[in-house]
Amino acid sequence: GESVGLHLPTLSVQEGDNSIINCAYSNSASDYFIWYKQESGKGPQFIIDIRSNMDKRQGQRVTVLLNKTVKHLSLQIAATQPGDSAVYFCAENWAAGNKLTFGGGTRVLVKP
Amino acid sequence: GAGVSQSPSNKVTEKGKDVELRCDPISGHTALYWYRQSLGQGLEFLIYFQGNSAPDKSGLPSDRFSAERTGGSVSTLTIQRTQQEDSAVYLCASSFAGQGEKLFFGSGTQLSVL
Repeated sequence: GESVGLHLPTLSVQEGDNSIINCAYSNSASDYFIWYKQESGKGPQFIIDIRSNMDKRQGQRVTVLLNKTVKHLSLQIAATQPGDSAVYFCAENWAAGNKLTFGGGTRVLVKP
Repeated sequence: GAGVSQSPSNKVTEKGKDVELRCDPISGHTALYWYRQSLGQGLEFLIYFQGNSAPDKSGLPSDRFSAERTGGSVSTLTIQRTQQEDSAVYLCASSFAGQGEKLFFGSGTQLSVL
């Protein structure tokens, strides 16, 4: 498939540095949040998720932070690697809904 | 199967023609979703199937779009009388239980309408 999002906001990061990707979500009733990574020509791939009763969750090299007060979600990637270059999407769901609503995406470019 | 499978991976068609896009979800997943991804855009929800319940069609952009899910497994998205603005990547996803959580996506079908 074609690359997605020629007009996406872009984060350039040096290899080995930490990356922070931000997302503002829309629905104050949302109780589930998820981050996906999408490489060119591929479908979105699950990274990490978090429920609204938590404000932080850690995975392998990734951490998701949730601030419900300002409806803000962030993804932190530690020691960014070239393989982390991709488009990252946040998505939200709420108990009454049965589908994820996606944000517009952020492109991460890792410089060697 | 091991993952969500979509076919074809690429489809080029002429304006006005009908197209069918196929999705084979992960075995055992009861929920199936179709999303559309246009260039420079996020993922736009189209339709959702859960078990034998009536599908949620609230995201379909026009009556030219329809989808079926046969036998609770394979799904086909049909676009009739295609228009150039239908050009996009069409992504299928499946999940357990259908609560809009942790969707597993296929690689998509890149549709180009000339």
